[in-house]
Amino acid sequence: KAGVTQTPRYLIKTRGQQVTLSCSPISGHRSVSWYQQTPGQGLQFLFEYFSETQRNKGNFPGRFSGRQFSNSRSEMNVSTLELGDSALYLCASSPGLAGLVTDTQYFGPGTRLTVL
Amino acid sequence: AQSVTQLDSHVSVSEGTPVLLRCNYSSSYSPSLFWYVQHPNKGLQLLLKYTSAATLVKGINGFEAEFKKSETSFHLTKPSAHMSDAAEYFCVVRGGKKGYNKLIFGAGTRLAVHP
Repeated sequence: KAGVTQTPRYLIKTRGQQVTLSCSPISGHRSVSWYQQTPGQGLQFLFEYFSETQRNKGNFPGRFSGRQFSNSRSEMNVSTLELGDSALYLCASSPGLAGLVTDTQYFGPGTRLTVL
Repeated sequence: AQSVTQLDSHVSVSEGTPVLLRCNYSSSYSPSLFWYVQHPNKGLQLLLKYTSAATLVKGINGFEAEFKKSETSFHLTKPSAHMSDAAEYFCVVRGGKKGYNKLIFGAGTRLAVHP
């Protein structure tokens, strides 16, 4: 099976712009989660989508949003970019069986976003 | 609420010697615990997971971890380090609404392996 893919792998934007990142989960997986990784804050949960619905949300401002399509692919959008949004954004997919403790997340390679 | 604490930010070992990466967790219910590894400029790879079955969990590349409820620990070990083990390791607990996907990561332990 192909793994989780993320596009683009690298992105450079300027402050005030907006950006859209894409994630294609492992075939058959219905849950997609997003994480932000920075040297200062480490890995932080952004949100999780399952069957096109946001099921869980982290503590990020409303500038961070996402959506999931019927084929389980997901996009994450950041509006009005700030310098502090520079980070590695990781997407993870899992079968998404709520309540099943063995549900395991598999990560993509990430998108490196640099805000100038 | 769930949380994890990785007790060492950096660990340095010689090739062929044992590896011990320490992790303590806090969870209000029976936890699901994971260890992930991240090599430079790569994504996260699952090493192993504990989900309330056997307390000694074996993972890939010779790693294993033991869940100790009395000590709230989930330390990662390997009998003999290899140069390719040099990477950052994350101890992770599943948090948020029970059963839903929200991973809470420790701060990470950077493992250096010297010849």
